[in-house]
This record gives sequence, structure tokens and C-alpha cells, in this order.
Amino acid sequence: SAVISQKPSRDICQRGTSLTIQCQVDSQVTMMFWYRQQPGQSLTLIATANQGSEATYESGFVIDKFPISRPNLTFSTLTVSNLSPEDSSIYLCSVRRGGLNTEAFFGQGTRLTVV
Amino acid sequence: GQQLNQNPQSMFIQEGEDVSMNCTSSSIFNTWLWYKQDPGEGPVLLIALYKAGELTSNGRLTAQFGITRKDSFLNISASIPSDVGIYFCAGLTNTGNQFYFGTGTSLTVIP
Repeated sequence: SAVISQKPSRDICQRGTSLTIQCQVDSQVTMMFWYRQQPGQSLTLIATANQGSEATYESGFVIDKFPISRPNLTFSTLTVSNLSPEDSSIYLCSVRRGGLNTEAFFGQGTRLTVV
Repeated sequence: GQQLNQNPQSMFIQEGEDVSMNCTSSSIFNTWLWYKQDPGEGPVLLIALYKAGELTSNGRLTAQFGITRKDSFLNISASIPSDVGIYFCAGLTNTGNQFYFGTGTSLTVIP
């Protein structure tokens, strides 16, 4: 498995501001992902963080709102911009181990509350 | 995106009872994963399945990859209070890059 550290673990932010979440992995991984989990809901993929190139966003998510950086194979950041109360969610970093028998591992999540 | 339906949505059981939950999809998957999520934490991987019909155990947990490849099952035997949490299935298609997650089953164990 991989050890994934997310920072911050939680934050309360004013609407209109931005929050940047960091994800650090203890080993190099090819695939890193960012998920959103709204209260009481399942996980929804925001984007795939690509090393050295722009992230690949899922339908309904755009780069202006959720800019992502991936400077190397062990680190990524997700910024949630121009916050509104609807952005209050848990944001999760995930890495996927490649190969035939693949698995996905998650960080502990960042609980964001927008007031 | 893919829709994975989990049943039941929630369960309230007595300590010591066995638990069964399932996950169904309209699409075929090549990989099924089962996770448990505690409040305030990220999902933790419990069991991974890679072959249709495969039955895999992890302690008191047993999961099966359905023969049709459109479903998977998770059983917990002799439940204990620390089994409380939300259980998610996740599936990966042959051509897909991402795991799709089920709607979740919330488990409450009554001592």
C-alpha cells in the first residue's frame, strides 16, 4: 500500500476565498486522483492529476474552479477557488497502483466548511 | 459516469450477527474493490477482487466477484462494534482509468 498525507485535515473558509489542499505520497506513483465527497454521499472523481501536464477533468468540473498541480510523482495540490457554501465537502487524494491487479488508496481527506 | 448501486443503503444489526451487502452495475467490471470509511477519515481498502467468481477473505470479511462481472458481494461474519462505518464498493472497467464508487452501505452495530 501507499502512505498518503493530506493537509490540511480540515478548514473553515470564508466564501469567495480559496483553499489549497496538499497531497504527499511516500513513494512515486503514476496515477493520482482528486475526489469530492459531499455530505452523506459517495465519492465523485474531480480530476486525474497528470505529472508534467494539465489535469484531466471529469464532466462538471473545470480548471478555473479546481486548479490542480502535479510537479512530481509524489506530490499534488488541489485548489478550490471562489468558495461558496456548496463547496463544503470532503476532498480526497487517491493514488492508484498500476499493473494488472490494481488498487486505489486514499488520504485521510480534507473536510472543508465554507461559511 | 457509471452508476453502482449498493444494497442495503443502511443496516442496523446486533453484535454477533452476520452482515451481507451487495453492489450492482449495468456495466462489466474487471476489478472490484471494497472499502470501509470511518467518520472523518478516508476510505480504507478491505478487499480487492480481480477475477469473475473469485472469493477472497480478509479476517471476518469475505467478498465475491460476481460471475456476470456486474456485481460483487461483501459479507461480514460475527459483527463487532468496530465494524460500524460506511462500506463502499468500487469498480474498474477494462478500458477505464478511474474507479467508480457505489452509493455506500451504512452499518450500525448495536452492542
